[in-house]
Amino acid sequence: EVQLVESGGTLIQPGGSLRLSCAAAGFNFRTYSMNWVRQAPGKGLEWVSFISGSRTTMYYADSVQGRFTVSRDNAQNLLYLQMNSLRAEDTAVYYCVRSAADGDRPFDYWGQGTLVTVSS
Amino acid sequence: QSVLTQPPSVSAAPGQSVTISCSIGSSYIGRNYVAWYQLLPGTTPKLLIYDNNKRPSGIPDRFSGSKSGASATLSITGLQPGDEADYYCGAWDSGLSVVWVFGGGTSLTVL
Repeated sequence: EVQLVESGGTLIQPGGSLRLSCAAAGFNFRTYSMNWVRQAPGKGLEWVSFISGSRTTMYYADSVQGRFTVSRDNAQNLLYLQMNSLRAEDTAVYYCVRSAADGDRPFDYWGQGTLVTVSS
Repeated sequence: QSVLTQPPSVSAAPGQSVTISCSIGSSYIGRNYVAWYQLLPGTTPKLLIYDNNKRPSGIPDRFSGSKSGASATLSITGLQPGDEADYYCGAWDSGLSVVWVFGGGTSLTVL
């Protein structure tokens, strides 16, 4: 069974930094691309970032480009999102999401999400 | 404004059918496959349709997808109260930069 468990969400002040983690289990992690998707309160889904299985390719939404960095540890089956220069508009539930294969494929499994609140 | 445009809401009675449109505003998306997600209240998104018209295992055939030109459609037949949810279309946009885009979401009410 595919399992994706996020952690690291918390209340943080604007301008601060935070690292989210996602522990994956139940599949061959290194052979799948992974993503972060967020949903702000009362808003729709917003894709944040993509990383290929081999870690050679990363993509970012314009709204986080230059502030967020996605990475992964294939030996430990972990996905990360380093978030810097956080803004109020980054407040959202952040989901760890698996692509259906390695590459630009749709998302087939989602974690339960971790809440990031950016507020003073 | 998203390059994928959905109606904010649709509604229909139990047992009836409903369609949700997803207008594609980018030629780079138009070349790519569209997926549909269901977000039930209090749950995480579920993949309903991928590659325009394919269903993952476990998704009932009441749900179907299609794509023609600059528009994709999700159809739901035999509506059930449990279908009341938000529905999102999504696709890769391989334009200047590669990004995944979601439509704004459509709230389905089963009257």
